[in-house]
Amino acid sequence: SQTIHQWPATLVQPVGSPLSLECTVEGTSNPNLYWYRQAAGRGLQLLFYSVGIGQISSEVPQNLSASRPQDRQFILSSKKLLLSDSGFYLCAWSQGVGGKTNYGYTFGSGTRLTVV
Amino acid sequence: GENVEQHPSTLSVQEGDSAVIKCTYSDSASNYFPWYKQELGKGPQLIIDIRSNVGEKKDQRIAVTLNKTAKHFSLHITETQPEDSAVYFCAASSRGHDMRFGAGTRLTVKP
Repeated sequence: SQTIHQWPATLVQPVGSPLSLECTVEGTSNPNLYWYRQAAGRGLQLLFYSVGIGQISSEVPQNLSASRPQDRQFILSSKKLLLSDSGFYLCAWSQGVGGKTNYGYTFGSGTRLTVV
Repeated sequence: GENVEQHPSTLSVQEGDSAVIKCTYSDSASNYFPWYKQELGKGPQLIIDIRSNVGEKKDQRIAVTLNKTAKHFSLHITETQPEDSAVYFCAASSRGHDMRFGAGTRLTVKP
């Protein structure tokens, strides 16, 4: 069966420090991968998605970046964190069958990031 | 692009009552409509979904209806229980990687 792993679960970082959040998926190949951010009590904001290795699409311009070095690995990074980067970060995956068939997303357990 | 609106933003019901959450979408090409439940501090979980060739789908106490003409779909939870308390998100998609989520509904079921 497919599983998604996301870590760390919580993170407290000072303003200006770098960030690296990692997400891996097991039990499937060529998945679509996503990074979402959720502010407290708010909805899901899509940050990045990837349909293949090295293919990254950005939905919102900001000081975050994403990379997909391997088929089932998705990394969210920042060189210098801002206070406004605080939030709940969620990784998700969906079946990437040529983009022609829709499947539900499976979310990871999330990373709560607090920038101080 | 797709725009999904969800109502109400908060909903409080008595245990045993029914709860209904409604969503509208803008893109007529959307053909897949999932619903997610998010408990506090956790990632959203898919609870039910419906495709555009179906008007209604049921799974025990939950059901989803879709009106493609009016571009709206609804989640119905019957015989609500305290463990149904969570935030619920609707979503719509046409190509798989273009899924757009509603703003969420915080459901509280009072014992």
